[in-house]
Amino acid sequence: GQSLEQPSEVTAVEGAIVQINCTYQTSGFYGLSWYQQHDGGAPTFLSYNALDGLEETGRFSSFLSRSDSYGYLLLQELQMKDSASYFCAVNGAAGNKLTFGGGTRVLVKP
Amino acid sequence: EAQVTQNPRYLITVTGKKLTVTCSQNMNHEYMSWYRQDPGLGLRQIYYSMNVEVTDKGDVPEGYKVSRKEKRNFPLILESPSPNQTSLYFCASTGQGNSGELFFGEGSRLTVL
Repeated sequence: GQSLEQPSEVTAVEGAIVQINCTYQTSGFYGLSWYQQHDGGAPTFLSYNALDGLEETGRFSSFLSRSDSYGYLLLQELQMKDSASYFCAVNGAAGNKLTFGGGTRVLVKP
Repeated sequence: EAQVTQNPRYLITVTGKKLTVTCSQNMNHEYMSWYRQDPGLGLRQIYYSMNVEVTDKGDVPEGYKVSRKEKRNFPLILESPSPNQTSLYFCASTGQGNSGELFFGEGSRLTVL
């Protein structure tokens, strides 16, 4: 089976940097995805790491270490609109069969 | 516009009354899936389908059925709903390959009394 651990909540101020860690245990591994979900909305895709290293997409970056079964999402230059829940998800089998973590609620304060 | 459409968006029903939540995608995606979301538990997969007439159980399939007769549609059926199926349901789809990217519908909030 699969299990993922991520912090439940993080609070930071505008302009700060936040790192959301995700550790996973999985019987199969193709990659680690990150999703953002605003209250009342649907999850939206942010990034995907299949190989070790850092992927940068604007203010957001995602990192993966397969040997450590660990990844993180880095949110830089935080803005109020970044207040949302963030989920890591393991792609554990061919065909994007994703298993999600419990989510990290990020609260950005002025 | 590329999208995944779910209906109904909101539903209040009573225990035992069969209901179907429809899901349709217009992106010609092979893979479709249903998730339920409950506070603190993230998104848990109910069923998924790799293609037409190919479905398989996810992590929490009990009390649910699905079918995939057409590529674009993947309905979720609750034959005899119970209060523990009160939840927010999301349908998702994606194409072939391992991109890690799912396209989600807007969600269906179901309350079973």
